[in-house]
Amino acid sequence: SQQGEEDPQALSIQEGENATMNCSYKTSINNLQWYRQNSGRGLVHLILIRSNEREKHSGRLRVTLDTSKKSSSLLITASRAADTASYFCATDDGSGGFKTIFGAGTRLFVKA
Amino acid sequence: DAGITQSPRHKVTETGTPVTLRCHQTENHRYMYWYRQDPGHGLRLIHYSYGVKDTDKGEVSDGYSVSRSKTEDFLLTLESATSSQTSVYFCAISERDRGEQYFGPGTRLTVT
Repeated sequence: SQQGEEDPQALSIQEGENATMNCSYKTSINNLQWYRQNSGRGLVHLILIRSNEREKHSGRLRVTLDTSKKSSSLLITASRAADTASYFCATDDGSGGFKTIFGAGTRLFVKA
Repeated sequence: DAGITQSPRHKVTETGTPVTLRCHQTENHRYMYWYRQDPGHGLRLIHYSYGVKDTDKGEVSDGYSVSRSKTEDFLLTLESATSSQTSVYFCAISERDRGEQYFGPGTRLTVT
């Protein structure tokens, strides 16, 4: 079973709107990461938030982490057509090892 | 793509044949990973390496083996390819344990 699961599976919004994606996970983690994947390409790292952090910003991205609920959210503000992509959360598996476990992703479509 | 290449980029092979995929990095990163990506499953870890000659299994390692004789190269071998191994394979590298990963462009493998 997957450590991280994103919600919703797919999201369609208009350009200029905000997009929010959620990730839930099962075990204690050291950090949580968000990645973007454009169609047919490799994943690109967006942001890493550590377990002792609650919120982090990077440009138009805002990530929150609630370790008590084992959940994270990714907010993209003022979305653009170029933000159309799949977004994945990733966590370590809680065992202390080197593995990173990815969720199945949220497909975001931003209409121009 | 952060000094990471994969070869070949596309391959069609027959059931039962051995196949080797190569990941090459120029970043001198310690950690290297092989993932497969299938619709509805996100990325699943096959094997990873935490140093030269140091490798371990991921969540879907059956039917795959790896080798890392140099820092820059991480090879993934399908010992006897099956149709269920038709997938897109991604290599990733990381400088830190459970840190941000940088992905290669992917190899699309079709087993007929």
